[in-house]
Amino acid sequence: GAVVSQHPSRVICKSGTSVKIECRSLDFQATTMFWYRQFPKQSLMLMATSNEGSKATYEQGVEKDKFLINHASLTLSTLTVTSAHPEDSSFYICSARSPLSGSVEQYFGPGTRLTVT
Amino acid sequence: GDSVTQMEGPVTLSEEAFLTINCTYTATGYPSLFWYVQYPGEGLQLLLKATKADDKGSNKGFEATYRKETTSFHLEKGSVQVSDSAVYFCALTPSHAGKSTFGDGTTLTVKP
Repeated sequence: GAVVSQHPSRVICKSGTSVKIECRSLDFQATTMFWYRQFPKQSLMLMATSNEGSKATYEQGVEKDKFLINHASLTLSTLTVTSAHPEDSSFYICSARSPLSGSVEQYFGPGTRLTVT
Repeated sequence: GDSVTQMEGPVTLSEEAFLTINCTYTATGYPSLFWYVQYPGEGLQLLLKATKADDKGSNKGFEATYRKETTSFHLEKGSVQVSDSAVYFCALTPSHAGKSTFGDGTTLTVKP
């Protein structure tokens, strides 16, 4: 149980275009989802926290107009990188939590490798 | 704020060697503590967890004990295998289920 999927696993896009990444909790309802960015050989950097039905809370320094997060249902959150540029190339990982279960544990997706050319 | 400090890597061991990766934390209250493992090109997988002082988390031969007196959660394995080569992250989550804090990760390479 507690499986989180991400789609796509890899995406290459041209500079200036937008890319949408989906994060789904497959067998549980995720009241909270997190979006992380990971640079090579580095730890995870939290970008934003999204709660179902409300606006995402962005971390300091993360441009909310560039990284659009939508958590429209209890099983789906999306991250849209708008007007992508090469510096947005990175590994994006989502995680989901269901405090309703009584646990603070996060379940991570497999990640999405974004390359902007 | 909360913080997690992990032993710097990389760590290189021979197969069947004993592994310790140190992790200490700073947090208010009583956080839950986690170890995650990340294989190349993949997301994080939960390795083990402990939710209160003196709890021992264990999985696949790995163990870690929540030590509140030393604010530590060191990861150990008695005999590592080549397949254990990965990056290991120590993390904490506050009891109120807020944001998690991750260590910088420790790269483990096990040689045959």
